[in-house]
Amino acid sequence: AQSVTQLDSQVPVFEEAPVELRCNYSSSVSVYLFWYVQYPNQGLQLLLKYLSGSTLVKGINGFEAEFNKSQTSFHLRKPSVHISDTAEYFCAVSASGAQKLVFGQGTRLTINP
Amino acid sequence: ETGVTQSPTHLIKTRGQQVTLRCSSQSGHNTVSWYQQALGQGPQFIFQYYREEENGRGNFPPRFSGLQFPNYSSELNVNALELDDSALYLCASSKRQGFTEAFFGQGTRLTVV
Repeated sequence: AQSVTQLDSQVPVFEEAPVELRCNYSSSVSVYLFWYVQYPNQGLQLLLKYLSGSTLVKGINGFEAEFNKSQTSFHLRKPSVHISDTAEYFCAVSASGAQKLVFGQGTRLTINP
Repeated sequence: ETGVTQSPTHLIKTRGQQVTLRCSSQSGHNTVSWYQQALGQGPQFIFQYYREEENGRGNFPPRFSGLQFPNYSSELNVNALELDDSALYLCASSKRQGFTEAFFGQGTRLTVV
């Protein structure tokens, strides 16, 4: 079975500052990793995914994440945030090739002007 | 290419009633998964349908049931509604073969009073 821990429930940052949202996972098998974003009253939008290959993954809206197998982490980063990045961010894991996603509790990113 | 659509967007039901939520999968996708997202939580896997059969289930009681139709659309049925069933219900579609990501709909907000 897989599990995901998002280490921060809320992250406040100033506009144009860098941000890192932390995600650790647990699994006994190889995994796929995902970051989704959820804007208020909306569904989930995929930001980026790691399936295999390069451990540094680039996604939409300037986000990137690095897969670290030894530390079982998949932290999300952005060098300079904008007001429009205010949203809830979810890290998710699935066993490689499996369809079921296991989500973390989410991190609320708040951007202050 | 049409995305994942869910209906209705919102509904209010009384405790003890039954509800049916609907999902149309993205074009070319043959697998549908349902998730429950309680307020302030990450989505939790309810079950998945492939080839019109349930193919994996999370920790939800039997009063949560579903259907998948030949066109790959799906329904989620919940009987004997409880107050704790109030949540955002998300549908996700994907390809069974060569799974790389799930695409989510906007969700149905269910309120049980």
